[in-house]
Amino acid sequence: GENVEQHPSTLSVQEGDSAVIKCTYSDSASNYFPWYKQELGKRPQLIIDIRSNVGEKKDQRIAVTLNKTAKHFSLHITETQPEDSAVYFCAAREQAGTALIFGKGTTLSVSS
Amino acid sequence: GAVVSQHPSRVICKSGTSVKIECRSLDFQATTMFWYRQFPKQSLMLMATSNEGSKATYEQGVEKDKFLINHASLTLSTLTVTSAHPEDSSFYICSARDRRGDYNEQFFGPGTRLTVL
Repeated sequence: GENVEQHPSTLSVQEGDSAVIKCTYSDSASNYFPWYKQELGKRPQLIIDIRSNVGEKKDQRIAVTLNKTAKHFSLHITETQPEDSAVYFCAAREQAGTALIFGKGTTLSVSS
Repeated sequence: GAVVSQHPSRVICKSGTSVKIECRSLDFQATTMFWYRQFPKQSLMLMATSNEGSKATYEQGVEKDKFLINHASLTLSTLTVTSAHPEDSSFYICSARDRRGDYNEQFFGPGTRLTVL
């Protein structure tokens, strides 16, 4: 089955800096890669996703890139703000109808 | 977006008792629902896939007799933790896919915090 590795486990940046979180996946059949933000005790919130037929997607300060050949994808947050502080999870899915498999998470801390 | 609810949000029970957690899709029909477990400061671990009208598919290492899943309708899946023990204390989160529209996105419930004394 699918296995998703995520790095780093913790990331501390200054407000205004950029943050990058990287994930790799094992199953070349995976075709959907979402990123979630989770605050303590709450449900994961989808912040951006990308499908395997696209190499990059951007939404304001957030962007995701996908390298299918290398089987890795990354989350880029620019101009970070203290409210970006949370745990971020990447995930991958093999095909529609199957469950998302999550990475171990990255705790992002943005200090002002 | 689609809304998924869970009930209860928190439950405290004694060791050896059973606890039922409900997951409902409020404004859409969900053929498939997923159950995840999340221990403190850890990731979401898939426990099982729940399909309406059929038996659930459990992930390796998850005891199907201990975690009973029922998906009797297109809007409701239940997870029953039988003979709960302190090590079952965790955050249980369900998710569901909308049969319509973008088949990729999963919508998560708010989670249920289970504490077994």
